[in-house]
Amino acid sequence: KQEVTQIPAALSVPEGENLVLNCSFTDSAIYNLQWFRQDPGKGLTSLLLIQSSQREQTSGRLNASLDKSSGRSTLYIAASQPGDSATYLCATSQGGKLIFGQGTELSVKP
Amino acid sequence: NAGVTQTPKFRILKIGQSMTLQCAQDMNHNYMYWYRQDPGMGLKLIYYSVGAGITDKGEVPNGYNVSRSTTEDFPLRLELAAPSQTSVYFCASSFTSRQGGSYEQYFGPGTRLTVT
Repeated sequence: KQEVTQIPAALSVPEGENLVLNCSFTDSAIYNLQWFRQDPGKGLTSLLLIQSSQREQTSGRLNASLDKSSGRSTLYIAASQPGDSATYLCATSQGGKLIFGQGTELSVKP
Repeated sequence: NAGVTQTPKFRILKIGQSMTLQCAQDMNHNYMYWYRQDPGMGLKLIYYSVGAGITDKGEVPNGYNVSRSTTEDFPLRLELAAPSQTSVYFCASSFTSRQGGSYEQYFGPGTRLTVT
């Protein structure tokens, strides 16, 4: 059974800092991995999707990497801003279904 | 496109009552999903559907029922509501290939349900 873990559960950084969020999974037989952002009281917004054959994806200040052999993905946020404050969730895709981690709550202080 | 829509946004139920959470998508996606999210936790899959007329259980299906009569709609039914069903419910949809590879999932805004 796939288990997805995100560490840390919460992170607070000063504005402008570069940061890395971690996601690990136990079963490497995934189709893809997605990173989502969730603002308080809101739904999920997809940030990046990495296919299993890819190593990384980039969108603006965000870069996500995938290492299936080690069961890890990272989300790198460059030059963080207060508007980046949110909960970030990763999810692996298998058989058409997503398995989610618990999320990392990010706070970027001005 | 409206994307994925959910109604209602909020609901308070008494123990033992029943209700249906509505979900619709206008992207012609074949797969649709229902998740619940408890405070400080990730999302848990309740039920999913691979197409009209086909549904299957997820991780936490007890106490819920679903149907999928059309591609667009995927209602979630709660029978005999219990306090343990207090949660935020999200509906999602995606296009998924025959090999089971799910492309990007799109989420609705959620329904916040309280059972007292």
